[in-house]
Amino acid sequence: DTGVSQDPRHKITKRGQNVTFRCDPISEHNRLYWYRQTLGQGPEFLTYFQNEAQLEKSRLLSDRFSAERPKGSFSTLEIQRTEQGDSAMYLCASSLDGADTQYFGPGTRLTVL
Amino acid sequence: AQSVTQLDSQVPVFEEAPVELRCNYSSSVSVYLFWYVQYPNQGLQLLLKYLSGSTLVESINGFEAEFNKSQTSFHLRKPSVHISDTAEYFCAVIGGGQGAQKLVFGQGTRLTINP
Repeated sequence: DTGVSQDPRHKITKRGQNVTFRCDPISEHNRLYWYRQTLGQGPEFLTYFQNEAQLEKSRLLSDRFSAERPKGSFSTLEIQRTEQGDSAMYLCASSLDGADTQYFGPGTRLTVL
Repeated sequence: AQSVTQLDSQVPVFEEAPVELRCNYSSSVSVYLFWYVQYPNQGLQLLLKYLSGSTLVESINGFEAEFNKSQTSFHLRKPSVHISDTAEYFCAVIGGGQGAQKLVFGQGTRLTINP
């Protein structure tokens, strides 16, 4: 068990560019979550997958954001036409079906210039 | 919707002193409560959790938290802190009910230990 991994750890981009982040959950964890954390705040829920099905999306997830988990294993989060307000730490977490504890990855820090 | 309030954004204490980090949540039929810790330049780690049963839960590194339903609180305590406890601490809740799987976090409390 190597824990939840995320790639890249840091991303700097210019406003208007597209970015994509990857999350690899703990193997056999069928639930996967994305959160966003801005400076001085707690993480905020973005979206949640059970296997490959995206079951819930936050109102924070505008049309520029899309998340996929095509084979029920790793997930990607894409942000199109990035804005400076998208600068944040993007966190991924996973858990077993029916379990309560979510295990977090180290996060991807996005800076939009 | 669930909400979590951490009453102190920063708590400075001296080493070996006791500490309490306060957390209140909005009421619900049933909740699961968590404390996560984020050490500098690291990801979130689960510190302890309350699901049911005994209202006092403990972590392996000396922290404890007590679920108080009447006061809707889940305060975190440690009788004697160490320099290594310097971190940001987040209280979080999952509301009861089917499909309510997302963690709702407080804004965090930065614990600073002074020698």
